[in-house]
Amino acid sequence: AQSVTQLGSHVSVSEGALVLLRCNYSSSVPPYLFWYVQYPNQGLQLLLKYTTGATLVKGINGFEAEFKKSETSFHLTKPSAHMSDAAEYFCAVTRGGSARQLTFGSGTQLTVLP
Amino acid sequence: EPEVTQTPSHQVTQMGQEVILRCVPISNHLYFYWYRQILGQKVEFLVSFYNNEISEKSEIFDDQFSVERPDGSNFTLKIRSTKLEDSAMYFCASSEDGPYGYTFGSGTRLTVV
Repeated sequence: AQSVTQLGSHVSVSEGALVLLRCNYSSSVPPYLFWYVQYPNQGLQLLLKYTTGATLVKGINGFEAEFKKSETSFHLTKPSAHMSDAAEYFCAVTRGGSARQLTFGSGTQLTVLP
Repeated sequence: EPEVTQTPSHQVTQMGQEVILRCVPISNHLYFYWYRQILGQKVEFLVSFYNNEISEKSEIFDDQFSVERPDGSNFTLKIRSTKLEDSAMYFCASSEDGPYGYTFGSGTRLTVV
């Protein structure tokens, strides 16, 4: 079985400050990891993904995440927050191979303060 | 950019009624999914569909739920007799292969009264 824990259901940062959203996973096999963003009244948009290879992955809108196997973490970062980054962010995991369902974390609501 | 289209965006139904949620996946995708998100809770997997049959389903996907790809373009989720606890946002998704290329629709907000 796999699971995802997102620490902090709400995170507030000032515009221009570092964004750090935490995600820890549990998986019995090498995981595939994802971050999705959800803007109000919209669907889930893929920010970035880790499957294999380079552990630092870059996504859209200046976000990146690093897969750390030893820490079972996949934290999302952005050096400088923008007002438009305000949204809910979901970390998700799948075990890869033939399995295709995603297991999501509870989400983190990011507020960007002017 | 190709999109997954869901209709309606919002549906209100009375408890006990049947509802059908509709989705048009991306045309060359082979795998189709339904997820739901109860207000304030996690996004939860319901079912995946490949080659005209269910490939995986969760415990939530009981006999009240069914899926169908009736005409090669639409992908539907039917709830036979809705309950208050079925109120949620339902997301359709499709992928060419696996979760790496998932595209989600904008969702249908189902309200059961």
